[in-house]
Amino acid sequence: EDQVTQSPEALRLQEGESSSLNCSYTVSGLRGLFWYRQDPGKGPEFLFTLYSAGEEKEKERLKATLTKKESFLHITAPKPEDSATYLCAVQATGGATNKLIFGTGTLLAVQP
Amino acid sequence: NAGVMQNPRHLVRRRGQEARLRCSPVKGHSHVYWYRQLPEEGLKFMVYLQKENIIDESGMPKERFSAEFPKEGPSILRIQQVVRGDSAAYFCASSPGSPDTQYFGPGTRLTVL
Repeated sequence: EDQVTQSPEALRLQEGESSSLNCSYTVSGLRGLFWYRQDPGKGPEFLFTLYSAGEEKEKERLKATLTKKESFLHITAPKPEDSATYLCAVQATGGATNKLIFGTGTLLAVQP
Repeated sequence: NAGVMQNPRHLVRRRGQEARLRCSPVKGHSHVYWYRQLPEEGLKFMVYLQKENIIDESGMPKERFSAEFPKEGPSILRIQQVVRGDSAAYFCASSPGSPDTQYFGPGTRLTVL
């Protein structure tokens, strides 16, 4: 069964304290791995798509990497406005479905 | 550019009533997805539609739930005879093609009294 596990469930950082969020996945065949950010009471906001092992993408203080079994979201020198829940999702190959399988997210709190 | 729009943003229903949730995709997007987020749980896929076609409804409960994406107008997720367990946030996403990145709307928070 396709599955996504995110860790830690919650993370508290001081402003400027870099860290990484983990997303482990089990999927029959990976079509893509997606990172989203979700603020309270809002919909997920797209951050990155990764397609193959070794791929990396960057946006401001965020950098996403992908291996054959997991993905990391590295946050460099975070600011309080980076506080949110970060969601990881995978899309499997095969069939006509494009459904995303989500992990339960990592709740990040960055304190000034 | 307008993103995915959902209405209503909040909906309160009593047990046994019907709930209708609407989703207008990003202009030019022809693929629509519905997801449900229960309290303390992750987002779960419900259904994937293209114009006038249901492509995958494997995540949709067999009873009381239905979805459509007509040729004209928004996509509708319909829940008949709501129960308290239907209380959740329902998110719609759209993509321009298949496979493509899915962009999410702000969600509809359904509360069943």
